Amino acid sequence: ETGVTQTPRHLVMGMTNKKSLKCEQHLGHNAMYWYKQSAKKPLELMFVYSLEERVENNSVPSRFSPECPNSSHLFLHLHTLQPEDSALYLCASSQVAGRGADTQYFGPGTRLTVL
Amino acid sequence: SQKIEQNSEALNIQEGKTATLTCNYTNYSPAYLQWYRQDPGRGPVFLLLIRENEKEKRKERLKVTFDTTLKQSLFHITASQPADSATYLCALTSGTYKYIFGTGTRLKVLA
Repeated sequence: ETGVTQTPRHLVMGMTNKKSLKCEQHLGHNAMYWYKQSAKKPLELMFVYSLEERVENNSVPSRFSPECPNSSHLFLHLHTLQPEDSALYLCASSQVAGRGADTQYFGPGTRLTVL
Repeated sequence: SQKIEQNSEALNIQEGKTATLTCNYTNYSPAYLQWYRQDPGRGPVFLLLIRENEKEKRKERLKVTFDTTLKQSLFHITASQPADSATYLCALTSGTYKYIFGTGTRLKVLA
């Protein structure tokens, strides 16, 4: 498989559930990102990892917990979410974090619905 | 605060015409500006990048301009086709970890 993959593609969870989103990149990149995309809002950068080290955390609530065990895998652990957290969660990768000329490669996203 | 505005939420044009999308920004001095295409249910796909010292960039039927004085980028699709129908996003970065995206313009090319 090539590019950036995300699982699951769709997720429905209750406010008391705990779930995880998974992202895998097959591009040999060193940087990985989590974004949130809500209707009629711009993509919001949530977290940035560079070589498995978190380098950016954009004031994201603690109910979202990222994990990057290696440069190819990225997880987003979810617990006690709110209905307003329902959105499309996108994972992306780039060759190097912080190099603005780099292209970001996005996965297809996980459509999350919180009931 | 830093803000990006893309000219309109939706744009309809006739097939064969040139589509022009606008990206305006405030309170920011980006070093790079990127344009992405996003289809429903998919992640954004990179199209073009332009640097602050470049005025224009082309790729096949696509052209991007960048005016740092006006704080504006224009994205043109010439000889538009129904297959060009999608949402187009602009993104700015100053070379830090932070990419700032616009809300996107939904383009529909009518046959």
